[in-house]
Amino acid sequence: AQSVTQPDIHITVSEGASLELRCNYSYGATPYLFWYVQSPGQGLQLLLKYFSGDTLVQGIKGFEAEFKRSQSSFNLRKPSVHWSDAAEYFCAVGTNFGNEKLTFGTGTRLTIIP
Amino acid sequence: KAGVTQTPRYLIKTRGQQVTLSCSPISGHRSVSWYQQTPGQGLQFLFEYFSETQRNKGNFPGRFSGRQFSNSRSEMNVSTLELGDSALYLCASSLGDRVGNEQFFGPGTRLTVL
Repeated sequence: AQSVTQPDIHITVSEGASLELRCNYSYGATPYLFWYVQSPGQGLQLLLKYFSGDTLVQGIKGFEAEFKRSQSSFNLRKPSVHWSDAAEYFCAVGTNFGNEKLTFGTGTRLTIIP
Repeated sequence: KAGVTQTPRYLIKTRGQQVTLSCSPISGHRSVSWYQQTPGQGLQFLFEYFSETQRNKGNFPGRFSGRQFSNSRSEMNVSTLELGDSALYLCASSLGDRVGNEQFFGPGTRLTVL
């Protein structure tokens, strides 16, 4: 079965600073990887996804993520955060096999300070 | 195009009661998945329906059930409510049942069990 670890429960960064959110996954084959964002009182919105090919993927809102097979990681980055980026971020691993299509990490809450 | 809608948005029930939550997917989407989100357990997969058939089911007791109608709308039911069922229930729809099909999430139904 697949699993996802987001080691940082809460991160605080200053507006304009760079951001990196960590995600490690466990899966036997090449995984489908996703990053979602959830604002308070909202559902989840897909930021970006990786299936194959170029290991650096670009997403919406200026986010990017890099797939590193050797480290089983899929870290999310943004060069300069905005106050509107404050939210909870979820990494997920997906598969077409087994009982559960998407397995989510426990999330990282991002706080932006002015 | 309208997004995924969930009704009701908020619900308060007492232990032992039952509840039905509704999800209307994006027009044309045939797959609907349900997730339970709690602070302690995070996002957990409940079940997935595609073309009125349950395709996958997560590790939840039989008190949790669902169905999908011919118009792809879906309902989930929880019988004999327990305090631990208090959660945000999220519905997600996608065009198909493959993990590569992007899942679009609704805003959720906040269920409080007293």
